[in-house]
Amino acid sequence: AQSVTQPDIHITVSEGASLELRCNYSYGATPYLFWYVQSPGQGLQLLLKYFSGDTLVQGIKGFEAEFKRSQSSFNLRKPSVHWSDAAEYFCALNEAYNTDKLIFGTGTRLQVFP
Amino acid sequence: EAQVTQNPRYLITVTGKKLTVTCSQNMNHEYMSWYRQDPGLGLRQIYYSMNVEVTDKGDVPEGYKVSRKEKRNFPLILESPSPNQTSLYFCASSSGTYSGGSYNEQFFGPGTRLTVL
Repeated sequence: AQSVTQPDIHITVSEGASLELRCNYSYGATPYLFWYVQSPGQGLQLLLKYFSGDTLVQGIKGFEAEFKRSQSSFNLRKPSVHWSDAAEYFCALNEAYNTDKLIFGTGTRLQVFP
Repeated sequence: EAQVTQNPRYLITVTGKKLTVTCSQNMNHEYMSWYRQDPGLGLRQIYYSMNVEVTDKGDVPEGYKVSRKEKRNFPLILESPSPNQTSLYFCASSSGTYSGGSYNEQFFGPGTRLTVL
């Protein structure tokens, strides 16, 4: 069955430090992969997506993610974290191009210390 | 402004009292869906609709109903709410994930926090 795993429930970083949030997926073919961010009390905002082509994708707010087929991973990175990045981050998978259903990971809560 | 709206944003109710959470989008999207978000479980799809009068179950449909009489609206109905339906609910819409060779983003509403006592 298709699934998304985010191994880290909670991550704490200092402002200005680099960040990497892990995401692993299980799917028989090449999935469509996404990262969403949920700020406190807000809905979900799409950060970036992998559809095909270049495996390093750039998103909004200075985020990037790299698709690695051999590792079934789609880790999210940011070189320098800002306090406003504190939020919950969800990795998601779209299981087939004829359905809009998203399969979400359990989320990683990011805390940023000044 | 393109958006998905949900009402109410917060709701506290009691077991068995029927309630409806409304969802509306102004983007002329064909696809709409409902998710619930629970700690440690992420978001799980409850129901979805590919178009007017076309709805189908997601992963956790028990205890919920939906209808799609108009393209813009997709209400979520809890006929007899129970405490295990206490959750954060999100409505989402898109013009179809894959069409014309490109991916179409899903837009999420702000969420409805439901507490069933």
